[in-house]
Amino acid sequence: GIQVEQSPPDLILQEGANSTLRCNFSDSVNNLQWFHQNPWGQLINLFYIPSGTKQNGRLSATTVATERYSLLYISSSQTTDSGVYFCAVETFSGGYNKLIFGAGTRLAVHP
Amino acid sequence: ETGVTQTPRHLVMGMTNKKSLKCEQHLGHNAMYWYKQSAKKPLELMFVYNFKEQTENNSVPSRFSPECPNSSHLFLHLHTLQPEDSALYLCASSQDPRTSGKETQYFGPGTRLLVL
Repeated sequence: GIQVEQSPPDLILQEGANSTLRCNFSDSVNNLQWFHQNPWGQLINLFYIPSGTKQNGRLSATTVATERYSLLYISSSQTTDSGVYFCAVETFSGGYNKLIFGAGTRLAVHP
Repeated sequence: ETGVTQTPRHLVMGMTNKKSLKCEQHLGHNAMYWYKQSAKKPLELMFVYNFKEQTENNSVPSRFSPECPNSSHLFLHLHTLQPEDSALYLCASSQDPRTSGKETQYFGPGTRLLVL
């Protein structure tokens, strides 16, 4: 099956710093999503990005489907950005979409 | 608030208990999913229901029994669980999983389960 690898596994930042999270995937996919899981477990959709670049405030994401990777940029990080960031690729099999998640990047932003 | 709610948020149960997790979506979606998130492991898909029909059972032990009475509600019935079943159980919904590459999944807040 498709493998999804995220790096780095852990990241510690000082408030205000910028960071880049990476997601590599092993095969062609229909789509790719980035999620943020807050400390209480809630998964929030950040980006739905099969290719190209999208921006939402301090966050932006770029997916290069032909090279099988996606990047999530966090600028001017804040303590509320802490949590786990997951990349999930979408495949279509058995008649429905299936999300395959990476192991996540655990981010801690300190004041 | 994603439009997907789960109850209870926390659950502690013994190995001989029977309990049920509930998920409800208010988004008008047609598909619902159960995921398991164990410590230090990626989210694992357990079950998929599309228009109330189960379309995926991802090799889940029979001590987990899903039920989808309608497209807005999803249950996960638990019985004779093991301590290794302790995890965060997440529910998600989407519009139509048969529409390839067009629909995102929205997640509930999860139920944190501890089996003693």
